[in-house]
Amino acid sequence: QSVLTQPPSVSGAPGQRVTISCTGSSSNIGAGYEVHWYQQLPGIAPKLLIYANSDRPSGVPARFSGSKSGTSASLAITGLQAEDEADFYCQSYDRGLGAVVFGGGTKLTVL
Amino acid sequence: QVQLVESGGGLVKPGGSLRLSCAASGFTFSDYYINWIRQAPGKGLEWVSYISGSGGAVHYADSVKGRFTVSRDNAKNSLFLQMISLRAEDTAVYFCARGMSANDWFDPWGQGTLVTVSS
Repeated sequence: QSVLTQPPSVSGAPGQRVTISCTGSSSNIGAGYEVHWYQQLPGIAPKLLIYANSDRPSGVPARFSGSKSGTSASLAITGLQAEDEADFYCQSYDRGLGAVVFGGGTKLTVL
Repeated sequence: QVQLVESGGGLVKPGGSLRLSCAASGFTFSDYYINWIRQAPGKGLEWVSYISGSGGAVHYADSVKGRFTVSRDNAKNSLFLQMISLRAEDTAVYFCARGMSANDWFDPWGQGTLVTVSS
């Protein structure tokens, strides 16, 4: 059971918009800690996709965006492409655990 | 370019030990925290440990506390994870990843090294 809760899977057709939620609590996201997102393509190490809730590293397309509100965060992907098919993970910090925590991951399928 | 490369994984029997290494290049190694994160086969990501740039601050997940020890050699741009009393549930790909602080984002990640604990 992950501290941060993500839907196990989402799907969408090419060109569509999908969102992935990341729900935490008052000891992590709700306490003001930032949320970061990673994309993990099959068989490859995770890659930073969004940091500090909504910032994109250089090279990440603007189709990817992040937001945070209250005890939750969301990753939105617009203009879905076949190569976006991957697992996505959110990450934050939990002051009760005194540790970094991850969501359980969401598998994105492009139909 | 900024790069992290893990090594040292392999097959070990329950109760055994293993030492992982992470070689860094392309940045001032001592300026950064380095974390270990693992991923069991077919499962999600689990943070394992961090060490500060100077090595003066370390922290571990409860699941490995007392069994794993993280260290670094800034002169050799290298990070280590000494693992003892290994259990089947420690089987995973172990990644090292760079961060700026204890609760920062991780970027970049190494390619990972597989540790298999099995008799």
